Amino acid sequence: SQTIHQWPATLVQPVGSPLSLECTVEGTSNPNLYWYRQAAGRGLQLLFYSVGIGQISSEVPQNLSASRPQDRQFILSSKKLLLSDSGFYLCAWSITAGGVNEQFFGPGTRLTVL
Amino acid sequence: KNQVEQSPQSLIILEGKNCTLQCNYTVSPFSNLRWYKQDTGRGPVSLTIMTFSENTKSNGRYTATLDADTKQSSLHITASQLSDSASYICVVSARSGYSTLTFGKGTMLLVSP
Repeated sequence: SQTIHQWPATLVQPVGSPLSLECTVEGTSNPNLYWYRQAAGRGLQLLFYSVGIGQISSEVPQNLSASRPQDRQFILSSKKLLLSDSGFYLCAWSITAGGVNEQFFGPGTRLTVL
Repeated sequence: KNQVEQSPQSLIILEGKNCTLQCNYTVSPFSNLRWYKQDTGRGPVSLTIMTFSENTKSNGRYTATLDADTKQSSLHITASQLSDSASYICVVSARSGYSTLTFGKGTMLLVSP
């Protein structure tokens, strides 16, 4: 069976510090991978998605970046965090079955920027 | 602009009672509609996925309906349990690409003993 891991689970960082959130998927090959942010009282916002190693598409311009160094590893980074980067970050992977692209979410990382 | 609107924003019901959550969307071209349950501080978990040709789908005590003509969906929860307390998110997928999910803001359900 497939599982998706995210770490850390929670993180408190000062403004201007760097960020690295990691997501790994087990039990599947060549998944599509996604990074979402969920701010309080708002819906999930897609930040990045990747269809393969080294292939990253950005949906929202910002001070965050993503990388996919391995097939089942997706990393979200920032060189300098802003207060507005606080939120709940979710990684997801997907498969396409019967014409439907179904996404499965990780447990999330709660980021607080002070 | 693709949008998904959910109502109510929050809801409190007594344990054992039924409830219905609403979702209206303006996503085009429509591919499928999903309902997710998200416990506080956790990632969303899929409850149902319905394509254009499906108008109802059940998953245990959860029953989702879809009216593609009026672009409305509902999620009915039967005989609610305390563990049903969560945010329920309606997500609509357009018919192309990988980044075409539009998320609602969710309905926060609290089941009270």
